[in-house]
Amino acid sequence: EAGVTQFPSHSVIEKGQTVTLRCDPISGHDNLYWYRRVMGKEIKFLLHFVKESKQDESGMPNNRFLAERTGGTYSTLKVQPAELEDSGVYFCASSQGVLYGYTFGSGTRLTVV
Amino acid sequence: DQQVKQNSPSLSVQEGRISILNCDYTNSMFDYFLWYKKYPAEGPTFLISISSIKDKNEDGRFTVFLNKSAKHLSLHIVPSQPGDSAVYFCAASGSDYKLSFGAGTTVTVRA
Repeated sequence: EAGVTQFPSHSVIEKGQTVTLRCDPISGHDNLYWYRRVMGKEIKFLLHFVKESKQDESGMPNNRFLAERTGGTYSTLKVQPAELEDSGVYFCASSQGVLYGYTFGSGTRLTVV
Repeated sequence: DQQVKQNSPSLSVQEGRISILNCDYTNSMFDYFLWYKKYPAEGPTFLISISSIKDKNEDGRFTVFLNKSAKHLSLHIVPSQPGDSAVYFCAASGSDYKLSFGAGTTVTVRA
């Protein structure tokens, strides 16, 4: 079974540019989550999809961040325009609904310069 | 507002000895607690969990203890092995299944 795949693994962009991160969850997993770890601090929740619907987006920092999950399969997280404080590692995770079945991807390391 | 805290950023332990990682939380609505392990350039990997109705859960070399009155949990690894060197994250969740993580503890197992 393939795991959670994230692309790209690294991205370096200039302040003001746009970046789109992609996450392919484990096939059949209805629940998809985005998390972010900034500057070696705690991993923080961004949002939760159930299929194509946003179940909880209370962790999204501001309206420069837009997440989509068309068709309930892969998800994208767009940052537009990027700011310096957006730098960090963005993790995606998926599950079939039970909490201990949460599987994380390897993350996308975003650096805004 | 950080609801889960790991106050020790690092821990160094001799191979074969016990590693004890600590975690404190503030939200009394949390009812499920987990430990994740993370190697460099990889995502967190689930290690062990415990629900609030228990005070201990054991899985091989890993045991998690929960003290609800103190809002404290700990992870014991015994015996520690070189492959256990990683960052360990404590996480907690309520009914919404959203995880709140601590900042992590970097464990180094010395040969």
